[in-house]
Amino acid sequence: TQLLEQSPQFLSIQEGENLTVYCNSSSVFSSLQWYRQEPGEGPVLLVTVVTGGEVKKLKRLTFQFGDARKDSSLHITAAQPGDTGLYLCARGDNNDMRFGAGTRLTVKP
Amino acid sequence: DAGVIQSPRHEVTEMGQEVTLRCKPISGHDYLFWYRQTMMRGLELLIYFNNNVPIDDSGMPEDRFSAKMPNASFSTLKIQPSEPRDSAVYFCASSRKGASYNEQFFGPGTRLTVL
Repeated sequence: TQLLEQSPQFLSIQEGENLTVYCNSSSVFSSLQWYRQEPGEGPVLLVTVVTGGEVKKLKRLTFQFGDARKDSSLHITAAQPGDTGLYLCARGDNNDMRFGAGTRLTVKP
Repeated sequence: DAGVIQSPRHEVTEMGQEVTLRCKPISGHDYLFWYRQTMMRGLELLIYFNNNVPIDDSGMPEDRFSAKMPNASFSTLKIQPSEPRDSAVYFCASSRKGASYNEQFFGPGTRLTVL
């Protein structure tokens, strides 16, 4: 059983479309991280959210942490082929990092 | 900074052989992590070290797996004997105490295939 459930598992869209992916847990955690992993590479940290209800923006990416700190979402506006990759959420309460299974996004030109 | 360095990038071996994966963390980082990634199980934490000392190895699948960190700039993950089900991408990551919420920096991974 995954501590963090990510949905959808796969997503294929056309360039220019908007999308949202989700990360859910039955547990409360003090912080959550989003990573992006491109083929043949290791994950790279995008953002850390800490406060319930927090919203962070990174160019066309908007990250939200749920009020109860049990869920998070990542919204991408006007997706581009360069956004293609595996998006992973991870709980970072301590150094015992646990990752979700990820959402594999493909953006077609 | 060169980032986390892993070697080899690809390893193909036969069942029963010993496999050694290597990692050089980012200089100044005092935490080192080993992960395994498969399509079925995703990214799993195997073991992590703090100041060269193993802190939590509960993710190590079985006694065939062992990890060492003889100094601050080098770690190994060994599988002996290897089995086909060990085929996966193995990542090493490092982080620095006091860094913002344990941001981890990952290496490029070693893709292991056991025939």
